Amino acid sequence: TQLLEQSPQFLSIQEGENLTVYCNSSSVFSSLQWYRQEPGEGPVLLVTVVTGGEVKKLKRLTFQFGDARKDSSLHITAAQTGDTGLYLCAGANAGKSTFGDGTTLTVKP
Amino acid sequence: NAGVTQTPKFQVLKTGQSMTLQCAQDMNHNSMYWYRQDPGMGLRLIYYSASEGTTDKGEVPNGYNVSRLNKREFSLRLESAAPSQTSVYFCASRTGQPQHFGDGTRLSIL
Repeated sequence: TQLLEQSPQFLSIQEGENLTVYCNSSSVFSSLQWYRQEPGEGPVLLVTVVTGGEVKKLKRLTFQFGDARKDSSLHITAAQTGDTGLYLCAGANAGKSTFGDGTTLTVKP
Repeated sequence: NAGVTQTPKFQVLKTGQSMTLQCAQDMNHNSMYWYRQDPGMGLRLIYYSASEGTTDKGEVPNGYNVSRLNKREFSLRLESAAPSQTSVYFCASRTGQPQHFGDGTRLSIL
């Protein structure tokens, strides 16, 4: 069984602060996805990383895939209240995805 | 553009009742998935169908059955519902990456 550990589980910060969410595993994944989920809705893809060491930027969000393709991080710069939500990482292998337990982010004005 | 459509959105059952959750996608995707999401946890894979005509168990298949009716539709059945199956159920589909998710079915078993 492949496991993905996400940390922290909960994060509450003030608008304008920076934050990093981590996703760690002992398993190697062919790709890793980060999703954002709003209450009452399904997860929506933010990014897919495929290559070890890859860094992708999406406006204020920076995603990194570890060199060994076992871990990843999501860094948000100058958080905004609109960033509030549940962030999920998911590692993919052989057509299936394993999800972390998520990080609930609250950005206070 | 409907994407992935799940029905019903909400359902309350009594212990022992049966229920089928429906999922349809209009993106011509090959693979479809059923997940459950419990409070404070991520999504756990129940069953998946890599292509039309095939189904396989995921991480938590006990108490569930699935049918890949055709390329568009993938249903999840609870034959005898138990309180432990109270959860939010998500269907997803994909060809390659990423997965596209429906908005979920909120199921409560009393």
